[in-house]
This record gives sequence, structure tokens and C-alpha cells, in this order.
Amino acid sequence: SQKIEQNSEALNIQEGKTATLTCNYTNYSPAYLQWYRQDPGRGPVFLLLIRENEKEKRKERLKVTFDTTLKQSLFHITASQPADSATYLCALDRDNYGQNFVFGPGTRLSVLP
Amino acid sequence: GAVVSQHPSWVICKSGTSVKIECRSLDFQATTMFWYRQFPKQSLMLMATSNEGSKATYEQGVEKDKFLINHASLTLSTLTVTSAHPEDSSFYICSAPWGGPGTGELFFGEGSRLTVL
Repeated sequence: SQKIEQNSEALNIQEGKTATLTCNYTNYSPAYLQWYRQDPGRGPVFLLLIRENEKEKRKERLKVTFDTTLKQSLFHITASQPADSATYLCALDRDNYGQNFVFGPGTRLSVLP
Repeated sequence: GAVVSQHPSWVICKSGTSVKIECRSLDFQATTMFWYRQFPKQSLMLMATSNEGSKATYEQGVEKDKFLINHASLTLSTLTVTSAHPEDSSFYICSAPWGGPGTGELFFGEGSRLTVL
């Protein structure tokens, strides 16, 4: 069966450290993978998109890797800040058309001052 | 960036009544919009794909007669929860893709919290 797993339900790290979140999937072959941030009671906000032919993508303090062999994406936040505390969702493209995405369960990140 | 507006933000209704939620793309046209439901501490579950000018496509297990979707224009999709019951209480969120396929992201509304008494 198809499955998306994110490494842990919750992750606590110290301010200034690098947070690494994992997204593993089974029985999907996404052409695109995205990461979103969601704050409590709000809709998700897009962070990064990476295509299957891209190994790595960066945006400011964020970095995403995409390994289609391992069926895994890693999401890194460097120099983390308390304001980075939120739930982070990975999303896979279901139809290889880049619009219809299915979401992972999310990891709740807490950056401690 | 593009903006998707959702209304109402929260609604409380009595069991058996119907509730309509609107999703608007404010500064771009969306031939497709997506509706999700999210229970506390869970991820977004796609309910249906709303298609402008044609019928919505529902995910397996979602009752199309209970969750009516209408995509009347290129900027508006509505979700009507008919004969709502307490188990329908949830956070409903819509999204619209911006840019061509694979070029951009999904823009999400702020969500609508439905509480059915």
C-alpha cells in the first residue's frame, strides 16, 4: 500500500542548531516533492519544491534533498530559531503533473531558546 | 504571492443543518482547487478535486452527496456540508495551484473550523 512517513511526530532542538526532518515514502514515484510549514489553526504555507531530477534545493536557511532511489527527502533548517517552531509537512505529487499532492503526517518542530 | 481566501474562518451549527464554505483565489485564476479535511494533530486528507465547469472528483470514501462541491467560476469553489453531524466537525482547508504544472506551489486558504453541535 502507499504510505508517506515523516521521521517523528515531534522534534525538539536547541536554537542555533540544524534541524533535519525526514520524509520517506512507499509505492509512490513522485515527479515533484514539496515541503510546507503549518502553524496551529492555519493553512499550510509553501516552502520548497524539488523535482525528481534535482538532488538538492536551497532557499536561505532551508535545504531539501530528494533521493528517488531511497525514496526519501530530507529537509534541513540551519541556524534554527524559535520562530521556526511549527509543523512541517512533506507532500508528494500523485499524478506526475505537479498539482495533485498527497501529504505526509507532519513533524512538529520545537526550537528551544 | 498569490492569495487564497476562505470564508468563514469558523462556524458553529446545529446537527442536521447545512454549511457552505467558500474558497476564492483573489489574484489569479484557478481551474482546479482542492478541498482537504484535517483532524487535530493529523495531516491533511484530500477530500476532492474541484474542477471549474465540470463535476468534482472525490477521493475514495468521501460521500459526494454529503460534501457538495461547486466550482462556479475561475476564482470561486464552494464546499457545502449537507445535514452536518458532530462527526463532521473538523478543519476544512482549500488550496489552489498557482503557475503551470510542476512550476509552483499550492496556495492554501486559512481554513474553516466547523463545529457541529
